[in-house]
Amino acid sequence: KAGVTQTPRYLIKTRGQQVTLSCSPISGHRSVSWYQQTPGQGLQFLFEYFSETQRNKGNFPGRFSGRQFSNSRSEMNVSTLELGDSALYLCASSSGLAGGGTKETQYFGPGTRLLVL
Amino acid sequence: AQSVAQPEDQVNVAEGNPLTVKCTYSVSGNPYLFWYVQYPNRGLQFLLKYITGDNLVKGSYGFEAEFNKSQTSFHLKKPSALVSDSALYFCAVRDWGGANNLFFGTGTRLTVIP
Repeated sequence: KAGVTQTPRYLIKTRGQQVTLSCSPISGHRSVSWYQQTPGQGLQFLFEYFSETQRNKGNFPGRFSGRQFSNSRSEMNVSTLELGDSALYLCASSSGLAGGGTKETQYFGPGTRLLVL
Repeated sequence: AQSVAQPEDQVNVAEGNPLTVKCTYSVSGNPYLFWYVQYPNRGLQFLLKYITGDNLVKGSYGFEAEFNKSQTSFHLKKPSALVSDSALYFCAVRDWGGANNLFFGTGTRLTVIP
């Protein structure tokens, strides 16, 4: 079956603009998590959505937000872009149940590379 | 609190030799441990995971990892390295009973020398 897809793959924005990234999970998966990857900070968790509800949020400012639709597709939005937001944004899906103790494996998309000028 | 340490930024190994990429972890409960590989300009690919049971876990592409509870380690191994194994490897942990998010190590760049 098809893997996790992310659009767009590449994006260039300028400071102060906003951006929306999209993630379509593997069919049947209900959980979507977002991660930011930068050379300096490595891989950091942004947030997770399950059944249209945000389940957990990482240590990022309020400029970073997201949502999940009834078909499990998810979007993340970054407002008032800063140079430091330049990164590879990865989303991952799993079928895992909401809450703790999940044994599910997360499968990652190819990422969206965002460059802020 | 959860954390993962990959003590080596870079590992070089000759083709055909065994390879080891090290990972140690810290969680408050029982760990779920994962290894992912990242090839240039690509996302993360799942290699293997430890949930419970046998301490030796076998995964994709001939990789395996050994869970050692007393040393809180989960080192990735392969008996014979291939040039195509050259990539960035990430160890990750999730705490049993915790939220569904992964904590990643800083990554180890593996270079297999022909």
